[in-house]
Amino acid sequence: EADIYQTPRYLVIGTGKKITLECSQTMGHDKMYWYQQDPGMELHLIHYSYGVNSTEKGDLSSESTVSRIRTEHFPLTLESARPSHTSQYLCASRGSMSTDTQYFGPGTRLTVL
Amino acid sequence: ELKVEQNPLFLSMQEGKNYTIYCNYSTTSDRLYWYRQDPGKSLESLFVLLSNGAVKQEGRLMASLDTKARLSTLHITAAVHDLSATYFCAVDSGTYKYIFGTGTRLKVLA
Repeated sequence: EADIYQTPRYLVIGTGKKITLECSQTMGHDKMYWYQQDPGMELHLIHYSYGVNSTEKGDLSSESTVSRIRTEHFPLTLESARPSHTSQYLCASRGSMSTDTQYFGPGTRLTVL
Repeated sequence: ELKVEQNPLFLSMQEGKNYTIYCNYSTTSDRLYWYRQDPGKSLESLFVLLSNGAVKQEGRLMASLDTKARLSTLHITAAVHDLSATYFCAVDSGTYKYIFGTGTRLKVLA
């Protein structure tokens, strides 16, 4: 059973606010990911990490930042939220075995007014 | 740049029928994953395919991988309403970075 948590689950904020979406996993996985997904559409990779102090940019990274100070924690920060950021944000983690898959958190549904 | 395409994008089928969803990708990879997503929910892992010719089955779903053709299939046998969901394939680009397909929205009609 995968244990990966995201908070908040729902967030409504105004334009220009700085927000941090939290993601934590208790499986000791070294690889973690952030995706953005509009309802029913494909997933777009925002950032990923191969381990502590390792972060890489995905396709949609220009307006957000991440940090990986602890193995279990991978927060995503939007410095200045815009209506175009309205979407669902999914966090995932993966172990090191070749047979491993990604385990996804429940998601954060963000609305920027 | 790795691109992943799924077809069809939408699939409406009668209960009891069989159908196949296709996942094509543009560059070499030998790791492919299938996920299921229910409306308003997150993704759930279905299959991990790690080599050419790999075949996995779970209930009414069977997935296969042909790395030479850069093609994976998800076959549905005798569909039931509970299989209604969106199905995604994802391909490992080679560095544990995953590229997802566009998704196939499946609706099984009673």
